[in-house]
Amino acid sequence: GNSVTQMEGPVTLSEEAFLTINCTYTATGYPSLFWYVQYPGEGLQLLLKATKADDKGSNKGFEATYRKETTSFHLEKGSVQVSDSAVYFCALTPNQAGTALIFGKGTTLSVSS
Amino acid sequence: EAGVTQSPTHLIKTRGQQVTLRCSPISGHTSVYWYQQALGLGLQFLLWYDEGEERNRGNFPPRFSGRQFPNYSSELNVNALELEDSALYLCASSLASYGYTFGSGTRLTVV
Repeated sequence: GNSVTQMEGPVTLSEEAFLTINCTYTATGYPSLFWYVQYPGEGLQLLLKATKADDKGSNKGFEATYRKETTSFHLEKGSVQVSDSAVYFCALTPNQAGTALIFGKGTTLSVSS
Repeated sequence: EAGVTQSPTHLIKTRGQQVTLRCSPISGHTSVYWYQQALGLGLQFLLWYDEGEERNRGNFPPRFSGRQFPNYSSELNVNALELEDSALYLCASSLASYGYTFGSGTRLTVV
């Protein structure tokens, strides 16, 4: 079946530290991959996406590369800010009829100044 | 462009009652998805509607149901509420199963 596994949090960093949140997936076919962010008290916002192998999604200093050989889509940012504190969800859609977005359990990031 | 809107934002219900949550998708989006975000359980897929029809449902009991109207807005109904139904219910819309946009959710508390 299709599934997403994320590293468990919480992740606690100081401002300007390097961030990596690991995400691996299992899917049939060729899924599209996403990172969503949820700020406290809000819904989900699309952070970045990649639709095929070796694609790199990027937004607001965050990056993730679609690695088919390792079935991974790790999220990285070179220098985090306090405002990046949120819950981050890795997700995939298998691009098959009748299937919706499948999410990982989420990773909480807390950045202190 | 207006985003996905959900109502109400918060509500409190008593165990055994019924509740209806509403979602208005982005104009032009024909698909609506419902997710449950319960504490510690992540985001669980509930239902998917497209062009007025239910296309798929997650692993939830039949007391979770819904519908989609001709204007593509949607309702989620939960009957016989249980304490563990307390969660944030998120609605998303998309066009052709790609590019999902989420609303801010409805926080349901069952007491």
